[in-house]
Amino acid sequence: DSGVTQTPKHLITATGQRVTLRCSPRSGDLSVYWYQQSLDQGLQFLIQYYNGEERAKGNILERFSAQQFPDLHSELNLSSLELGDSALYFCASSTTGGGYGYTFGSGTRLTVV
Amino acid sequence: GQNIDQPTEMTATEGAIVQINCTYQTSGFNGLFWYQQHAGEAPTFLSYNVLDGLEEKGRFSSFLSRSKGYSYLLLKELQMKDSASYLCAALGGESGGGADGLTFGKGTHLIIQP
Repeated sequence: DSGVTQTPKHLITATGQRVTLRCSPRSGDLSVYWYQQSLDQGLQFLIQYYNGEERAKGNILERFSAQQFPDLHSELNLSSLELGDSALYFCASSTTGGGYGYTFGSGTRLTVV
Repeated sequence: GQNIDQPTEMTATEGAIVQINCTYQTSGFNGLFWYQQHAGEAPTFLSYNVLDGLEEKGRFSSFLSRSKGYSYLLLKELQMKDSASYLCAALGGESGGGADGLTFGKGTHLIIQP
């Protein structure tokens, strides 16, 4: 157990729907990062939150949004889902503002049918 | 922006040594990470280099040359369980989330044969 908890582990939904992925960071970590990993792609950075505030944004679609709550857990919202959104979504957390490596959660496998 | 290149796939023999290379071009570079990822699982941290030179940790070693934008991961005494993808990641720059963000290469799929 890495200490980073992601739920659900698997999600199957239809095109056009909306889903919410949840991440609880490791105790004491203030930063949360979201990544998307498709079959033929590496880990693509989506967005980072630090202590409740958005800190950096990567290649995140406008249909996707995220937030970090006061208890530091984070949620990634994916709407108007398309087949191409099927992927593994990883959350990672780190101490301070980043730096010495990330600890990844076990991921949420999203399948859009 | 950032660009990280590593071979797509490599094959090695159990008990042997393999070197996985990674080249990067990035602005605001703050260090180089290697992660191991088994299929469908989370990446796990292997090593971190911020200064030039070799870092050794058991069967795994990692090397960095900042001037050349080059790193390698060396795996010794290969075991079947080492079959996995190995991800090179650069810390810093824009596409990974700024100064404390990681940008990952696509990974090298390592196949260990008996």
